[in-house]
Amino acid sequence: QVQLVESGGGVVQPGRSLRLSCAASGFTFSSYAIHWVRQAPGKGLEWVAVMSYDGTNKFYADSVRGRFTISRDNSKNTLYLQMNSLRAEDTAVYFCAKDTARYSGCFDYWGQGTLVTVSS
Amino acid sequence: DIQMTQSPSSLSASVGDRVTITCRASQGINDDLAWFQQKPGKAPKSLIYAASSLQSGVPSKFSGSGSGTDFTLTINSLQPEDFATYYCQQYNRYPLTFGGGTKVEIK
Repeated sequence: QVQLVESGGGVVQPGRSLRLSCAASGFTFSSYAIHWVRQAPGKGLEWVAVMSYDGTNKFYADSVRGRFTISRDNSKNTLYLQMNSLRAEDTAVYFCAKDTARYSGCFDYWGQGTLVTVSS
Repeated sequence: DIQMTQSPSSLSASVGDRVTITCRASQGINDDLAWFQQKPGKAPKSLIYAASSLQSGVPSKFSGSGSGTDFTLTINSLQPEDFATYYCQQYNRYPLTFGGGTKVEIK
């Protein structure tokens, strides 16, 4: 069965960096785009970034462009999110979600999420 | 960016009721719309894509309709496990955007 497992969350000071990972199994990872979506405490869902199946296309939300970098290693079935210059407003649960195609934007499976807390 | 507006933001319903949630896009998105269910402390679950197609394993009590700018999610015969927050999301163009959510509570 399809599984997405996020890791790397934690407490970090403003201005510092953190790298999240999303380990995938149960499907051909190299054939699908994968997204990051976040949810601030008590708030709704916010799309963050996507990388296409082969890594050639990536898109970001305005709120993270220039600070966050999405990448993937298809040999390890893993997606990453490098988060730099973190701000208090980046505090959220970060989910990875599998696209139904190359980067249609339509999700079918989600991971359980990893919590990032930006606080001094 | 395409704005997604859900209504109502919350509703109270009884077991066995039929519930309808609406979602409006700020511009036409064809049928590039999905619905998700989220329970407290859990990941969202994909319910519907292409406005009206059920994801694999989702019971037929859930149905979606609409095209262009106006969409609805209907839940028939509400059961205790259906009390959750529901989100719509457009994938017509990037950046992807979600509605603000509708919390379905027990009356």
